[in-house]
Parts: sequence; C-alpha cells; structure tokens
Amino acid sequence: EVQLLESGGGLVQPGGSLRLSCAASGFIFSNYAMSWVRQAPGKGLEWVSTISGNTRTTYYADSVKGRFAISRDNSMNTVYLQMNSLRAEDTAVYYCAKKDDPGVYMWFAPWGQGTLVTVSS
Amino acid sequence: EIVMTQSPATLSVSPGERATLSCRVSQSVSSNLAWYQQKPGQAPRLLIYGASTRATDIPARFSGSGSGTEFTLTISSLQSEDFAVYYCQYYNYGPPWTFGQGTKVEIK
Repeated sequence: EVQLLESGGGLVQPGGSLRLSCAASGFIFSNYAMSWVRQAPGKGLEWVSTISGNTRTTYYADSVKGRFAISRDNSMNTVYLQMNSLRAEDTAVYYCAKKDDPGVYMWFAPWGQGTLVTVSS
Repeated sequence: EIVMTQSPATLSVSPGERATLSCRVSQSVSSNLAWYQQKPGQAPRLLIYGASTRATDIPARFSGSGSGTEFTLTISSLQSEDFAVYYCQYYNYGPPWTFGQGTKVEIK
C-alpha cells in the first residue's frame, strides 16, 4: 500500500523559514515525480511544486517561485519543501502527492494527510 | 493560462438521488481531466482520470464524461459518504497543474 506521511508544519513568523518533509513507502520512489499541493483555510487546492523522480527537473507555481525549493532524497524515500520568506498568504495545509500516471501526465494519487503551516506574528 | 470553472458552487441533493457536477475549461484540454473528492478534514482522493476512467477502488456510481472544454462528474445514487467537495483538475505534460474551485455536495 502506498503511504505518504508529511511532517514539519507549524507556526512561523512572516519572513521566516520552514522545511516540510514527506516520507513515502509502498512503491519504487525514484520512479515517480512527487508534488506539493496546498489548501488555504476554507479554500480550494493550489499546486505548489513538483520534482521529477531523478531529481533533474523541478517546477514551481509563480506564487512561490524564488522562495520555495523542492528536493528529494531517493535513498530515504523522502521529498522536501524548503519554504523561505514566508508570507501570511502561504498559510495552508500542505499535501504531498504522488504522480499517478506512469506516463507523461500529472494527476495526483495518493495524497498524504497534510501538514498545517501557519504564518503569523 | 487555463481557467477552470466548476458549477454549481453548492449542490443540494437527497440521498439516493443523482448528482451532476460540471467543470468548464477555458480552452480545449482533450480528455486531460481528473476529478477528486475531499471530505472534511481529509486529503483529496482521486476519483476519475482521463475524463472518464475510474481510479482504483472507486465505486461504479461515480462516472465522468466530456472532452474538450466541457466535463461532467455524475454520482448516480448519492450515498451518505458521498457528501463532500469535488474538484476537477486539468493536466498536461508541464505546469501549472490547475484545479477548479470545487463543488460542495450537501445533503438536501
């Protein structure tokens, strides 16, 4: 069974930093791109970032480009999201999600349970 | 930029009735559309990909249809566990991967 377990969320002041982790199991981790998707309180889903299985390619939403960095350690089956220069509008539940399609398309399954990031003074 | 518009925002349905949810895309996306279900306090769950292919273990009462710019998710006979928020998502080779704003299906 595929499992994704996020950690690292918490309360941080505006301008601060936080690193999220997502530990994966149940599949050949290095074969799949991994993504972060966030959901602000009471709002919809927003794709944040994706990293390819071989770590060579990363993508970012415009809203986080230059502030967030995605990485992965395939030996540890873990994907990370380093979040810097955090703003109040980054407050959200951050979900880790696996690329489901073995081909070129990006839909997400499964998702982790999420970790809450609150940016507030 | 592709814009996804889901309607209605809220759908009130009685248990056992049919629910029809719409997702409109601002430009043709062929069949590159997925649907997700999210229950309160839970992560989203993939229901449909390729506009009409049910994901693993998804009951047959969930069906997807459409192509191009107009898509529909139909729940043929609503069960109590189906009351949730449903999101559509457009996907292509590259980013951004865009979600609709969601349709909440509530008990009438």
